[in-house]
Amino acid sequence: DIQMTQSPSSLSASIGDRVTITCRASQSISIYLNWYQQKPGKAPKLLMYAASSLQSGVPSRFSGSGSGTEFTLTISSLQPEDFATYYCQQSYNTPVTFGGGTKVGIK
Amino acid sequence: QVQLQESGPGLVKPSETLSLTCTVSGGSISNFYWSWIRQPPGKGLEWIGYFYNSGSTNYNPSLKSRVTISVDTSKNQFSLKLSSVTAADTAVYYCAKVPPALRSNWFDPWGPGTRVTVSS
Repeated sequence: DIQMTQSPSSLSASIGDRVTITCRASQSISIYLNWYQQKPGKAPKLLMYAASSLQSGVPSRFSGSGSGTEFTLTISSLQPEDFATYYCQQSYNTPVTFGGGTKVGIK
Repeated sequence: QVQLQESGPGLVKPSETLSLTCTVSGGSISNFYWSWIRQPPGKGLEWIGYFYNSGSTNYNPSLKSRVTISVDTSKNQFSLKLSSVTAADTAVYYCAKVPPALRSNWFDPWGPGTRVTVSS
């Protein structure tokens, strides 16, 4: 199985901050990396697919980059509605695996 | 716009079979892949398996011996059966749509989820 490791596991940030979350794969997964946002009590929501493609309807302050084994999700200017937990997911092969999550909280 | 809704018992006894259904609206179930994912309380996400539009399936090896995913095209529904459940299977179970392409397997949209507790 491909292991996905996210860092940090949690962070505190202020409105307007630039936030970067890292996801590392235990082997190369090319660009087959997707990002989700999950708010408490809700289903995850797709933000980015194929490492850097923004899902329709997702604000442009979200961006993704990377290939191979290292990927980042960046929020350029944190907004109140962005406080949530973020997960990466590899779709290079099965079993599909997710990172452990990064909880973005209010400073 | 495809929408999904999970349904099924919220409480299952240990050793019994968990059975859930996902109803798809706003699109044909025949055109996509479909998946189940679960999330134990306070924990991360675990992929359970896929049903491909070819009719084949692909399950997480950690659950493979206990899982069956099937589709009822006449009802536009797909289902999950997980046998011999234990407390470790207590989780919120989500269904999700998947693009029908190799490696482009992201989950969108998701159903709202249904909480299943395994307890006697």
